[in-house]
Order: sequence, then C-alpha cells, then structure tokens
Amino acid sequence: DQQVKQNSPSLSVQEGRISILNCDYTNSMFDYFLWYKKYPAEGPTFLISISSIKDKNEDGRFTVFLNKSAKHLSLHIVPSQPGDSAVYFCAASGIGRGSTLGRLYFGRGTQLTVWP
Amino acid sequence: DVKVTQSSRYLVKRTGEKVFLECVQDMDHENMFWYRQDPGLGLRLIYFSYDVKMKEKGDIPEGYSVSREKKERFSLILESASTNQTSMYLCASRAGNTEAFFGQGTRLTVV
Repeated sequence: DQQVKQNSPSLSVQEGRISILNCDYTNSMFDYFLWYKKYPAEGPTFLISISSIKDKNEDGRFTVFLNKSAKHLSLHIVPSQPGDSAVYFCAASGIGRGSTLGRLYFGRGTQLTVWP
Repeated sequence: DVKVTQSSRYLVKRTGEKVFLECVQDMDHENMFWYRQDPGLGLRLIYFSYDVKMKEKGDIPEGYSVSREKKERFSLILESASTNQTSMYLCASRAGNTEAFFGQGTRLTVV
C-alpha cells in the first residue's frame, strides 16, 4: 500500500510558466518531506525539503508547500525552464523508532516536460 | 563534497549468475538503502541498513540479500539473477531525518 502518492504521471508546461507538482501522503506520522529530481541514467538529486512544523519553504525558483490537514504537499517551480525537464519524486519520512527512523518513502514520480 | 559511489554504471549478467552490487559512502551516515527504479513504478525499496551488520527488508526483498560489514559500505547481492531483475539499481545514504544522497545508479541487464 503506497503511503506516498503522486497521482499525475506526467506534466507538460511552457517555458517561463509555473510548474506545480502534487503529492499526497497517508501516514500522519510523517514529519519530514522532500523533493528529488532525476534525469535518465543518473541518481536522484535532492531539491528541497520541508519539516512538518512549517507550511512553506523556498529556495530560489523552487517552493514547497505543506498542508498537513489535507496530507498534501506541492512543489512550485517558477519560472519553469527546459532544463527542469526530469522526473520529480516526492518522499517522506517519519517519527519512527530505531530502525524505521531513517526510512524514506517515495512516490512513483511525475515526469515534467518544459517546452520552449 | 558528499559522495555515494556505486561500483558499476552498467552491468550485463547471465541468468542464474550471482551478482554483487557495491556501494560506498564517505559521509559517515548510519542509514544506507538499496532501491530499484522501473518505469511507472518509481523507487522501490529492496533493503535498508540502519547500522553495521543491521538490515531490514524493504518492499521487494525477494531474490536479494545484503551485507553491511563496515559503516561506509553496503552491498546488494542477487543470489541467482533472473531477467525480471533487469533494472536501474540505486544506492543511497542518509543521516537521521535529513536528505538522502544517491549514487549514480547501476543499470543491470540480465540476459
């Protein structure tokens, strides 16, 4: 059973516009959320994260919003650039104990295509 | 600069072979992970380790085993490779509740 869900497998956006990628989670024990970007034949690279004590975190063109009551987070990319075309993964981790503390749960990813 | 290094970028093995994928991190992280990525299925956790000699099964451990004899090294073993294990394998390490760092990936093809 997927605890982190990305319901849109793909998103296509024109260059310069805003890209909004969405993610939902089911486990209320999650307290730390991350976004990763992945190009083909490479490992994922960390983009941005947010702790559950915040509802927004910004880093340059990237902003992550967290709505705890809806168990929903989103990544906004403004303005979108062709180099942003990649698969974006949402991930979450929780207030576990012992062995489960470090585990990350990933969504299935959203392929973002930014066209000129 | 932090580093997670996987021993091979590309690997071709025959069905039935025993396959070793090695991963080394230089950040003194306690947690290490092995994922596989397949189209439409995202990143699926095979095994993870939260300390030396400690391991836990992830979501798809069947057909795999792992070894963590030293803190910096986490090995994934395919006991008898099968064609359905053709995939991209990704190693990651993490300290506590922070971001995880990934290696460059190993594209394994089993023929």
